Amino acid sequence: GENVEQHPSTLSVQEGDSAVIKCTYSDSASNYFPWYKQELGKGPQLIIDIRSNVGEKKDQRIAVTLNKTAKHFSLHITETQPEDSAVYFCAAIPTNQAGTALIFGKGTTLSVSS
Amino acid sequence: GAGVSQSPSNKVTEKGKDVELRCDPISGHTALYWYRQSLGQGLEFLIYFQGNSAPDKSGLPSDRFSAERTGGSVSTLTIQRTQQEDSAVYLCASSPDRSPYEQYFGPGTRLTVT
Repeated sequence: GENVEQHPSTLSVQEGDSAVIKCTYSDSASNYFPWYKQELGKGPQLIIDIRSNVGEKKDQRIAVTLNKTAKHFSLHITETQPEDSAVYFCAAIPTNQAGTALIFGKGTTLSVSS
Repeated sequence: GAGVSQSPSNKVTEKGKDVELRCDPISGHTALYWYRQSLGQGLEFLIYFQGNSAPDKSGLPSDRFSAERTGGSVSTLTIQRTQQEDSAVYLCASSPDRSPYEQYFGPGTRLTVT
């Protein structure tokens, strides 16, 4: 089945710096790759997603890139702010399941210090 | 608008007791998912409901776990004869027909089995 690996597990940056989180997946037929942000005590919040027919997508300070050949995708956060501190999860949807259940990476704890 | 709601937010139960966790999806969302989030295992898919179709139960870890979705809306996840390893945060998500891959999560129910 699909397997999603996420790196790094923790990331500390100074306010204003950029942060990059990388994920790899195993199922070449996967075609949807969302990123979620989870703050303490809350459920995961969808922040950006990308589909397999697009190489890059940007939304203000957040961007996601996808390399289907290498089977990896990355989240880029520019001009980081303390409120960006949270756990970030990447995910992929495998295409051999009846529904569209997400397979998640293990998460990256991002700490932005001011 | 209102997001996915879950109740209770916290549940402490004794080993061997049964528990019921409730999820109210976003109004109009036909797909509903249950996931479990634990420290060692990350976010794991449990079960998926789509409209009136038979649910995809492929993620349920044992026959002590079951779920229902009544009237195509509210869902209840039941865990019978709870064990300590069932302690986790149980998350519910729903998606709209127009964007079936986009999953919106509730705040979760933190289950502690003593």
